[in-house]
Parts: sequence; structure tokens; C-alpha cells
Amino acid sequence: DIQMTQSPSSLSATIGDKVTITCRASQIISSYLNWYQQRPGKAPSLLIYDASTFQSGVPSRFSGSGSGTDFSLTINSVQPEDFGTYYCQQSYSTPYTFGQGTKVEIK
Amino acid sequence: EVQLVESGGGLVQPGGSQRLSCAASGFTFSSFWMHWVRQVPGKGPVWVSRINGDGSRTHYADSVKGRFTISRDNTKNTLYLQMSSLRIDDTGVYYCVRDTIGGRTKFDSWGQGILVTVSS
Repeated sequence: DIQMTQSPSSLSATIGDKVTITCRASQIISSYLNWYQQRPGKAPSLLIYDASTFQSGVPSRFSGSGSGTDFSLTINSVQPEDFGTYYCQQSYSTPYTFGQGTKVEIK
Repeated sequence: EVQLVESGGGLVQPGGSQRLSCAASGFTFSSFWMHWVRQVPGKGPVWVSRINGDGSRTHYADSVKGRFTISRDNTKNTLYLQMSSLRIDDTGVYYCVRDTIGGRTKFDSWGQGILVTVSS
């Protein structure tokens, strides 16, 4: 199975900060990497797919980059509604695997 | 609007069985691959199984292979997960998830989730 490792596991940000979350795959996955946001008590929600393509309705302050094994999700100018846990997920092969999550707290 | 509503969860004893259902609406159900994903609170989601649009192709995580069966009834727009020989580590919130059409798998719509607790 492909292992997905995220860092950091948690962070605290002030409104307006730029935040970057990284995700590393245990083998090359091309650009087959998706990002999700999960708010407490809710299901995950797709933000970005294929490493850098926005899902419809996602604010432009979110961006994704990377290919191969190293990926990142950036939130430019963090807003109050961006709190929650962010997960990466590889879609290169089954079993589809997720990272352990990065919890974002807004100060 | 896409809606996915799970039902059938609850408390079950180790070794027991449970069937989850997911009622889909707001889209052409038979056109989409569908998945089950589970999550232990505080942990990352774990993919469990998937099925293609006409139900002819299924895939499972190794941890559930031989114990779980995914199926669908396109006349009722409903997805199922039959779980048997349940273990304590099958406990979690189970989500019914829609895949997008075209391209690689991406989970673009999720149900609200249903809790399955395996405990004696």
C-alpha cells in the first residue's frame, strides 16, 4: 500500500497568515493527489484534485502543487472558516490511502 | 443537489453482521462509481470498498476482503455494504461516497456518515 505522510500534524494560524501543509507519498504517484477539508462533526469535503485543480466552489486562496512524491497545500490569507483538519489522499492505485491529517486552528 | 443518506449503523457484537444502506438522490446514480470510506474519530479516513455503475466490478481493502460485500440497486438508487464477521477494529463512522466521472478517483460528494460500533 502507498503510505501518505503529512506535516505538520497541527498548526495555529492568525487571520491573514499564509499556511502550507505538506504531503509525501511512499512511492511516485504522478499528480494523482487530492486534498480534503474536514470540519468537526462533518464529512470531508474535496478541495483540490490532481494535485492542483480546484474543485468547483473552492475559494482561490487555496492552492495545491507538487508531483511525484512531494505535494503541498497552501492557504493564502487564512480566514476564520478555514479551521478544521486537512487530509491528502492518493488516487494512483487501490487501496486509496489518506494522510493522517493536519489540524488547523485559527488563533 | 447531490444527497447521500446512510442508514443501518449501530451497536453490534464481535463476530456479528450489519448491513449499511445509502440512499442517493440528485444525480444519475447508475453512472457513478460509489465507495465506502470509514473513519475512526481523530484518525484519517480509510477507504473500504468501491463498485462501478452497473455493479459488475468491485474492489476491497485487504482488511475487509472476504468479510464485507458492496452492492447496489440502481432501480432504488441505493448502495449497500454487507458486513460480516465484524471485529472491534471495524468500529468507526462509515461514509457513502460518490466518485467523479472521468479521470482518477476523487471523492466529490459524501454522506453525513453512520456510526458502527463493534463491542461486546
